[in-house]
Amino acid sequence: DAKTTQPPSMDCAEGRAANLPCNHSTISGNEYVYWYRQIHSQGPQYIIHGLKNNETNEMASLIITEDRKSSTLILPHATLRDTAVYYCIVRSLNNAGNMLTFGGGTRLMVKP
Amino acid sequence: GAGVSQTPSNKVTEKGKYVELRCDPISGHTALYWYRQSLGQGPEFLIYFQGTGAADDSGLPNDRFFAVRPEGSVSTLKIQRTERGDSAVYLCASSLGGGEEETQYFGPGTRLLVL
Repeated sequence: DAKTTQPPSMDCAEGRAANLPCNHSTISGNEYVYWYRQIHSQGPQYIIHGLKNNETNEMASLIITEDRKSSTLILPHATLRDTAVYYCIVRSLNNAGNMLTFGGGTRLMVKP
Repeated sequence: GAGVSQTPSNKVTEKGKYVELRCDPISGHTALYWYRQSLGQGPEFLIYFQGTGAADDSGLPNDRFFAVRPEGSVSTLKIQRTERGDSAVYLCASSLGGGEEETQYFGPGTRLLVL
């Protein structure tokens, strides 16, 4: 699976949009971009995923660049409960086990 | 059921002891995964079951680690002769199938501390 690069930490003011970047410059055409988050002392929680097109759901929006080498997760109105570690994961269609390969993630701190 | 459940939530044991960690996946999910998460790091894959069989156990660190899923539902991760380095959070996840777009849903984890 392609490697991802994320900033180790970010701050965001409550009520503002949180934009979390992810670099996946070696991504191949059949690999999806997944985002999970992990709130302290809990298991990872699925947020969103995409292949080529931008995606939106009730939690977030995922913007993937046209060359697919980077993406941004957007939390439109961050709340204190969004404080968590956010993981960007590239997942291969050819991954026999379909396991998720987590990197270090971005620790998002939402501040009042 | 509501979600993936794991028991116990916390386990303290002594070096050299045997431990079993249990995972109850979401009802109807055929794929089950075990991950291990050390402090300050992301989860690392251990083993993947499709039904009753281990489809990929390439993440198991050594032969002290073993997992079973005899009826294709509940799974047990077994660790023999525990070492202090085995201390971590052990996470279980399940998905409806094993396909690449199948979302994995995680349990809360079991925190294992080996003294």
